[in-house]
Amino acid sequence: GAVVSQHPSWVICKSGTSVKIECRSLDFQATTMFWYRQFPKQSLMLMATSNEGSKATYEQGVEKDKFLINHASLTLSTLTVTSAHPEDSSFYICSGKPGGQETQYFGPGTRLLVL
Amino acid sequence: KQEVTQIPAALSVPEGENLVLNCSFTDSAIYNLQWFRQDPGKGLTSLLLIQSSQREQTSGRLNASLDKSSGRSTLYIAASQPGDSATYLCAVRTSGNTPLVFGKGTRLSVIA
Repeated sequence: GAVVSQHPSWVICKSGTSVKIECRSLDFQATTMFWYRQFPKQSLMLMATSNEGSKATYEQGVEKDKFLINHASLTLSTLTVTSAHPEDSSFYICSGKPGGQETQYFGPGTRLLVL
Repeated sequence: KQEVTQIPAALSVPEGENLVLNCSFTDSAIYNLQWFRQDPGKGLTSLLLIQSSQREQTSGRLNASLDKSSGRSTLYIAASQPGDSATYLCAVRTSGNTPLVFGKGTRLSVIA
């Protein structure tokens, strides 16, 4: 099956710093990438949708200037959490979808802890 | 806006028992519905995907049903095992291009 990787798998950073999370589709071209956030004991909440080469579309309540998403190629999308704060601590999961297909393939997630 | 609800939030059963997890969604005009498994601190494993035109899907000890008109799906797990312990997430897609909308999940514990 299709594989999506995320790097890093976990990261600890100081408040005020920026953190970049990479999401790669290893064996397919992800025309669309989705970024989700999951707080403890909560469900996955969609943050944004990005199509390769286009600006991301953010869900209501998600600050686009704080969560920078780049989808420059069909196999790589990045999420940068700028000026991270403790409340940004969460589990971030990306998902890639090949063009013309309906199935989303999920990465293993990145756990972010902001001190 | 589509909302997905899963009941119960947590469930603990003895090994060998059959069990049912419930999922409901507010907008019955869905494209498909998918059940996932999530182990603690891990990503998602897709279990079953049901298209809107289908009534059920089976994989091994798992059977998922879909009643689109009533906005409900169930995941049936037969002869549960301790290895089935995980959080089970239900997610729906409204159209082929829209992202999955998730429920909060049911945390299942199967006791040996």
